[in-house]
Amino acid sequence: AQSVTQLDSQVPVFEEAPVELRCNYSSSVSVYLFWYVQYPNQGLQLLLKYLSGSTLVKSINGFEAEFNKSQTSFHLRKPSVHISDTAEYFCAVRRAGFQKLVFGTGTRLLVSP
Amino acid sequence: DAGVTQSPTHLIKTRGQQVTLRCSPKSGHDTVSWYQQALGQGPQFIFQYYEEEERQRGNFPDRFSGHQFPNYSSELNVNALLLGDSALYLCASSTWDRDGSPLHFGNGTRLTVT
Repeated sequence: AQSVTQLDSQVPVFEEAPVELRCNYSSSVSVYLFWYVQYPNQGLQLLLKYLSGSTLVKSINGFEAEFNKSQTSFHLRKPSVHISDTAEYFCAVRRAGFQKLVFGTGTRLLVSP
Repeated sequence: DAGVTQSPTHLIKTRGQQVTLRCSPKSGHDTVSWYQQALGQGPQFIFQYYEEEERQRGNFPDRFSGHQFPNYSSELNVNALLLGDSALYLCASSTWDRDGSPLHFGNGTRLTVT
């Protein structure tokens, strides 16, 4: 079975500072990895995904994540955050060939001026 | 292009009652999954429907049941509600035969059981 660990429940950061949200997964089979963002009182929005190929994936709003198979990690990074990035971020893993997503417990990113 | 739509947005029920939540998938999608998100937690997989059949199920009791209609829309039914069923229920849609295609989520139904 797959599992996801997001060690940081909350990450406070100042605007324009860099940030890294950590995600580690465990699986004995081939998996796909995802980051979703959830704004208050809303559903989940896909931020970025890793299926295969280049281990560095990027979103249109400046986030990036790197798949590291040896460390079973998929950390999310942004070089300069904005107030509007304040949200809950969920890392998720999905076994290749299946559609069930297994989520971590989430990391709340708090960006202050 | 309408995304995933869920109804109602909020619902208050009494313990022991039954509830039905509804979901319309994103245009072009044929697979619907349901997730339960308790306060402060990540979403937990309930089950998935494709071709009107339950294809995969998470660790939820039989009180949770579902249905998928020929137009791909879906319902989630919960019987004998417990206080612990209070949560945000998320519907997600995808395409069955495209391995790796991401799930698209609706905004959820907030269920409160009193």
